[in-house]
Amino acid sequence: QVTLRESGPVLVKPTETLTLTCTVSGFSLSNAGMGVSWIRQPPGKALEWLAHVFSNDEKASGASLRSRLTISKDTSRGQVVLTMTNMDPADTATYFCARKRDRATDFDQWGQGTLVTVS
Amino acid sequence: QSVLTQPPSVSAAPGQKVTISCSGGRFNIGNNYVCWYRQLPGEAPKVVIYENDKRPSGISDRFSGSKSGTSATLAITGLQTGDEADYYCGTWDSNLGIGVFGGGTKLTVL
Repeated sequence: QVTLRESGPVLVKPTETLTLTCTVSGFSLSNAGMGVSWIRQPPGKALEWLAHVFSNDEKASGASLRSRLTISKDTSRGQVVLTMTNMDPADTATYFCARKRDRATDFDQWGQGTLVTVS
Repeated sequence: QSVLTQPPSVSAAPGQKVTISCSGGRFNIGNNYVCWYRQLPGEAPKVVIYENDKRPSGISDRFSGSKSGTSATLAITGLQTGDEADYYCGTWDSNLGIGVFGGGTKLTVL
């Protein structure tokens, strides 16, 4: 059974750095073709894709947040870590991690999400 | 503002059919498969259609998807109250190398 689980602080202060961890099971991050994205959703608003790490360790992130985001993976631990610097109240959101095969365009498995409040 | 454009809301009566549109551009919908997600309150999104028109196992055949050019459509027939949810389209933008979503459509079954 494939699962993804997000963990991290529920409350951060403005200007602080957020670090979130996605722990996966049921598949390996070293499997060819398996990648993980971070996606967020402010309360009552739409999904926003943030960043992705591919199976070959290449990374991608959106231009608007690229200067603040770092994504990395620890294959041996089955974890994908997202750091976001200089947090602002506008970054208050539920943060999801989700699996995507490298050649696919859909996120076929999602974590339950973790709500991060910036205040 | 989302890269893909969806209507904010749609509604229909039980048993009826509803369609949700998703409009994009050449490098996202035009060049890549489209996926549709259903999201219930407090839950993570779940795939209902992938690769434009494929249904994952366990998804009712009342759900169907199509794509033409730079637009995609999700259709739900035989509406049930349990279909009420937010629906999002998504794909990859092969020019920007990023994931993109629509702004979401709230489906109300009257």
